[in-house]
Amino acid sequence: TQLLEQSPQFLSIQEGENLTVYCNSSSVFSSLQWYRQEPGEGPVLLVTVVTGGEVKKLKRLTFQFGDARKDSSLHITAAQPGDTGLYLCAGDRGYQKVTFGTGTKLQVIP
Amino acid sequence: GAGVSQSPSNKVTEKGKDVELRCDPISGHTALYWYRQSLGQGLEFLIYFQGNSAPDKSGLPSDRFSAERTGGSVSTLTIQRTQQEDSAVYLCASSLGSGANVLTFGAGSRLTVL
Repeated sequence: TQLLEQSPQFLSIQEGENLTVYCNSSSVFSSLQWYRQEPGEGPVLLVTVVTGGEVKKLKRLTFQFGDARKDSSLHITAAQPGDTGLYLCAGDRGYQKVTFGTGTKLQVIP
Repeated sequence: GAGVSQSPSNKVTEKGKDVELRCDPISGHTALYWYRQSLGQGLEFLIYFQGNSAPDKSGLPSDRFSAERTGGSVSTLTIQRTQQEDSAVYLCASSLGSGANVLTFGAGSRLTVL
């Protein structure tokens, strides 16, 4: 059973386009994180959100935590080739075991 | 060390052989995780160590998989009688184990079972 479902699974867009990645669950999380992973490396943390309804911005990336703390979204404005990678959401249900989503593979074409 | 170190980075083995994968976490991190990743997909939770507590082994796929963490630091993931479906990247991460749980990952050990 996959606690965190991400959509879309794959995304190929042109440089300059906008995109949104979704992370959905039926479970409530005390915190939710987004990571990006490049080939041959481990995932690297982008952001942590802890409050329902919270919105965080990191340059061209906007992260939102759902009001009920069951879902999250990642929006990228004016995507660049350097944004290419595997995006992973991850949730902590309060007892420290962190569960990862199914992943979204993003390719930004120059 | 400055980061999480995993070894070997690549391992090719024959079906039926045992393998050991090592993880050296960040000094002072009390929590240590093992995940498995197949074909660039999401991460599958395997096992979680937190301080001196009993580990959460709920993600281990079979009794061929085991892990230990000695002295609250280095961890070894052992796969006995490897099968082709065990081929994957095995990722280790550590964290402070409190607060918003930020995981720092190693680069992974890529296992190929022929």
